[in-house]
Amino acid sequence: AQSVAQPEDQVNVAEGNPLTVKCTYSVSGNPYLFWYVQYPNRGLQFLLKYITGDNLVKGSYGFEAEFNKSQTSFHLKKPSALVSDSALYFCAVRDITGANNLFFGTGTRLTVIP
Amino acid sequence: DAGVTQSPTHLIKTRGQHVTLRCSPISGHKSVSWYQQVLGQGPQFIFQYYEKEERGRGNFPDRFSARQFPNYSSELNVNALLLGDSALYLCASSLGDRAQHFGDGTRLSIL
Repeated sequence: AQSVAQPEDQVNVAEGNPLTVKCTYSVSGNPYLFWYVQYPNRGLQFLLKYITGDNLVKGSYGFEAEFNKSQTSFHLKKPSALVSDSALYFCAVRDITGANNLFFGTGTRLTVIP
Repeated sequence: DAGVTQSPTHLIKTRGQHVTLRCSPISGHKSVSWYQQVLGQGPQFIFQYYEKEERGRGNFPDRFSARQFPNYSSELNVNALLLGDSALYLCASSLGDRAQHFGDGTRLSIL
């Protein structure tokens, strides 16, 4: 079975500081990993994905994520946080059985403090 | 291009009733998936359809069913509603096995 874990329910960071939202995964084989963001009363917006190749993946809105196979992690990062980045962030892994469905973590609420 | 559209945006039902939720995928996307997001949790996979065939099913009771139409739109049906079915229901579409794109969801409240 595959799964992802987001160990932090809440992350607070000052505006302009770098931010990191953590995610670890458990998959037999090569993982397909994703980050999504959810704003209040909205659906999920795709930020970035890792399929294969370069361990540093660049995505939307200045976000990037680092895939680390030895630590089974896929942390989301941004060099300089904006107040508008405050939202709920979800890490997800694709089902390896062949379907395209995703298994999501429990989410991390990011608050950027002005 | 329009994104994934879902209707209705909000719905209030009582226990025991039936509900139908609708989803129109992004133009050109043939795969549609449904997820349930209970307050405070991550989305949970319910169904996936591709080219009108069920491709995957999550761990949900038989009260939940879905179908996909020739124009690739989809319906999610839930019978005999329970209080625990109160959630945000999300539809996502994708082009083949590429990243899924989500609609804004239908918020279902059961009284």
